[in-house]
Amino acid sequence: NAGVTQTPKFRILKIGQSMTLQCAQDMNHNYMYWYRQDPGMGLKLIYYSVGAGITDKGEVPNGYNVSRSTTEDFPLRLELAAPSQTSVYFCASSPRVSNQPQHFGDGTRLSIL
Amino acid sequence: AQKITQTQPGMFVQEKEAVTLDCTYDTSDQSYGLFWYKQPSSGEMIFLIYQGSYDEQNATEGRYSLNFQKARKSANLVISASQLGDSAMYFCAMREEAYSGAGSYQLTFGKGTKLSVIP
Repeated sequence: NAGVTQTPKFRILKIGQSMTLQCAQDMNHNYMYWYRQDPGMGLKLIYYSVGAGITDKGEVPNGYNVSRSTTEDFPLRLELAAPSQTSVYFCASSPRVSNQPQHFGDGTRLSIL
Repeated sequence: AQKITQTQPGMFVQEKEAVTLDCTYDTSDQSYGLFWYKQPSSGEMIFLIYQGSYDEQNATEGRYSLNFQKARKSANLVISASQLGDSAMYFCAMREEAYSGAGSYQLTFGKGTKLSVIP
């Protein structure tokens, strides 16, 4: 059981480039989330989804886009990468049950130079 | 808006001793959940323990226990018999529990406490 799988693990982008961070979960969870973690900080929510075809903005959505065409996949798109987007990105999923935790992927470390 | 405060940027504890990591929260919701996650230097987020706002007893999971004081809005993590492998960042997080459509079950994180266990 793989849980939440994120690819790639590391990436370096040039300013203005675009890329997609992939996230897949095999636990049939309804809810999926994207967070970013800046150095010395906690995680901040970028986007989330409560089911296929439904997405909404979190606390820090600017510069990002998401889609959720299937229950399993929740890719995060960076358009026109900026140095401020240098961060570690975590994808998470959870069932629609209140006392169950979110399960996190191992993260993607992204540097924009 | 929900808010989590972890006032200890760093803590040291002697191996085999107990340590308490502080967490206070602010919410207007009646139904909410509190979570603690561990992040070792390798970077992954590991779920440790959960406490629901209506749970009458403090949560325990092995060496981890949660000292939940609802009136004071605190949810401190207690680690007993510290081990070298406990050295990590620890994050307190909260989410609303009552389903209210889109937006539910989001986690709000504190800034974390870095725990170092001394041999």
